[in-house]
Amino acid sequence: SYVLTQPPSVSMAPGQTARLTCGGHNIGDKSVHWYQQKPGQAPVLVVYDDSDRPSGIPDRFSGSNSGDTATLTIIRVEAGDEADYFCQVWDTNNDRYVFGTGTKVTVL
Amino acid sequence: QVQLVQSGAEVKKPGASVSVSCKASGYTFTDYYMHWVRQTPGQGLEWMGYIKSDTGVTKYAVNFQGRVTMTRDTSTSTAYMELSRLKSDDTAVYYCARGHDVLTGYYALPPPDPWGQGTLVTVSS
Repeated sequence: SYVLTQPPSVSMAPGQTARLTCGGHNIGDKSVHWYQQKPGQAPVLVVYDDSDRPSGIPDRFSGSNSGDTATLTIIRVEAGDEADYFCQVWDTNNDRYVFGTGTKVTVL
Repeated sequence: QVQLVQSGAEVKKPGASVSVSCKASGYTFTDYYMHWVRQTPGQGLEWMGYIKSDTGVTKYAVNFQGRVTMTRDTSTSTAYMELSRLKSDDTAVYYCARGHDVLTGYYALPPPDPWGQGTLVTVSS
């Protein structure tokens, strides 16, 4: 089955840039979506189809996808960006959603 | 605005069943699919399946086939997920999430959005 791998955690100071990776075999051939989940809350979609943003999501959030790695980039990180971030794809071979293991972003 | 409001927390014994409801508002319920996803500390986010809200057609993830049943009541714009033969590792937060519109076919399904607030189901003897 298709597996998505994310680093468990990243940390940075406010104002810096966070680059969160999501690894999967030939993930560049798939559409990757990213969710933000704050403690005690439901996931919120922040990027879809590799690099598009839903309405209301700041343009500080962007995405890219190529080869075996998709990346969510958050520029000018703020304290309010502290959350878990999950990547997701639709596994067409098995007709199911697959989620990454999640990365916890800590703003120092 | 689109809103999904789920039923409250449940505590169940092993072997029992649980039903979680998800009441939709802010859109035409029958125009969209509804997905169910659960989140556990050990397994993370796990997709359980979906229901096509106009026809009631369902698709379940392999891991849950035989134990999960998804239904809907179009008169109240409410979706339901029932999980039977509960085990301790079914302890999780269960979410409903709106899927894509029923009229469009996709090779790869778009991401579900938005999600309900979640329902904690605890399975303990």
